[in-house]
Amino acid sequence: NAGVTQTPKFRVLKTGQSMTLLCAQDMNHEYMYWYRQDPGMGLRLIHYSVGEGTTAKGEVPDGYNVSRLKKQNFLLGLESAAPSQTSVYFCASSYSSAPNYGYTFGSGTRLTVV
Amino acid sequence: AQSVAQPEDQVNVAEGNPLTVKCTYSVSGNPYLFWYVQYPNRGLQFLLKYITGDNLVKGSYGFEAEFNKSQTSFHLKKPSALVSDSALYFCAALYQKVTFGTGTKLQVIP
Repeated sequence: NAGVTQTPKFRVLKTGQSMTLLCAQDMNHEYMYWYRQDPGMGLRLIHYSVGEGTTAKGEVPDGYNVSRLKKQNFLLGLESAAPSQTSVYFCASSYSSAPNYGYTFGSGTRLTVV
Repeated sequence: AQSVAQPEDQVNVAEGNPLTVKCTYSVSGNPYLFWYVQYPNRGLQFLLKYITGDNLVKGSYGFEAEFNKSQTSFHLKKPSALVSDSALYFCAALYQKVTFGTGTKLQVIP
């Protein structure tokens, strides 16, 4: 089925380790986003991209980096993981900045940093 | 700064009864408004949207939402709740950027 695929689904990291979360979409969407979801705080935007080769900071970008080398992929990197980065991470995509039907979300990556 | 408020962390309703999940927004312009639903271990799924026009919008799974400009509200409603409606519901406003509410857990009791 078409949509947004996130890998991995679960991961446990030790403090200081690095990892990359992969988001892939096959809908030819221009816009892609990374959010983190924490209890009582809803979704907060980490970084986003308005097209291949572009990235921009969201609300909570510190400690994360992103890359959009291909239109269909949006990678989120943690260079040195911290316990505060324990969260559920969601990738989303949309065909424009004001999509009539909102965003399409992936199923999430649950990350625990110990 | 724009914000979206969902004042209830949890709403409990008996199966078959009508349900309402509340949302208010604070945005300087005229936003697009959305409701999303999240089932356990899943991403958010689009339910319905308001862009312009009729204040009552209908969406997936029998849900509807009422836009009230004077009260800056966009409450989600359903005439008869199902146990399968139990999930986490998010309201979102889009005006230059998207802002999500903190979510409301809906528990439908058999």
